[in-house]
Amino acid sequence: SQELEQSPQSLIVQEGKNLTINCTSSKTLYGLYWYKQKYGEGLIFLMMLQKGGEEKSHEKITAKLDEKKQQSSLHITASQPSHAGIYLCGAGLRAGGTSYGKLTFGQGTILTVHP
Amino acid sequence: NAGVTQTPKFQVLKTGQSMTLQCAQDMNHNSMYWYRQDPGMGLRLIYYSASEGTTDKGEVPNGYNVSRLNKREFSLRLESAAPSQTSVYFCASIKSPLRANEKLFFGSGTQLSVL
Repeated sequence: SQELEQSPQSLIVQEGKNLTINCTSSKTLYGLYWYKQKYGEGLIFLMMLQKGGEEKSHEKITAKLDEKKQQSSLHITASQPSHAGIYLCGAGLRAGGTSYGKLTFGQGTILTVHP
Repeated sequence: NAGVTQTPKFQVLKTGQSMTLQCAQDMNHNSMYWYRQDPGMGLRLIYYSASEGTTDKGEVPNGYNVSRLNKREFSLRLESAAPSQTSVYFCASIKSPLRANEKLFFGSGTQLSVL
């Protein structure tokens, strides 16, 4: 199993609905990244969270980091077809003293937004 | 700035053939990464180089080798390609992993098919 688990794996919503994607780690989190990918295209940086309790927003997307739960959530308000794509969380995970710089990603969440 | 440049963009190999994927960044980044992306699997870390002169295994290193040629370049080699290595490969780089306001820059990807 992957060290970062995203849920749900896929999500279909009607335009205008709110939604949440979760990213949970099995190890201690040291910073967390959220990226978006359009089908067949490259990765677009959304935001990076570093401290427990930190919350950042970009347009209608908000992400929070809960260090105690080793979890981050990505919330989209009033979804639009332009939000459709694959959302990926990535993090630095600490396991012993030799993993500095290791950045792993979850399996992704496929979001479909119907007009 | 070109950012992260990967070559080639597409490649078809026969089983058993070897090839090297090239990656270069012009942002003076310290850390570089190779990921593969398969449907439903998100990004899986193959190898990474936290700094010039070091390389470490990621989650799926078997069948691959890497070389951090200098600070700019990080290559990925398939010595004897197998159909299981059919995937999209992404190279990425970052100045300092997990530092606030830093982000991981990705190349545009290499689509590799092994027949």
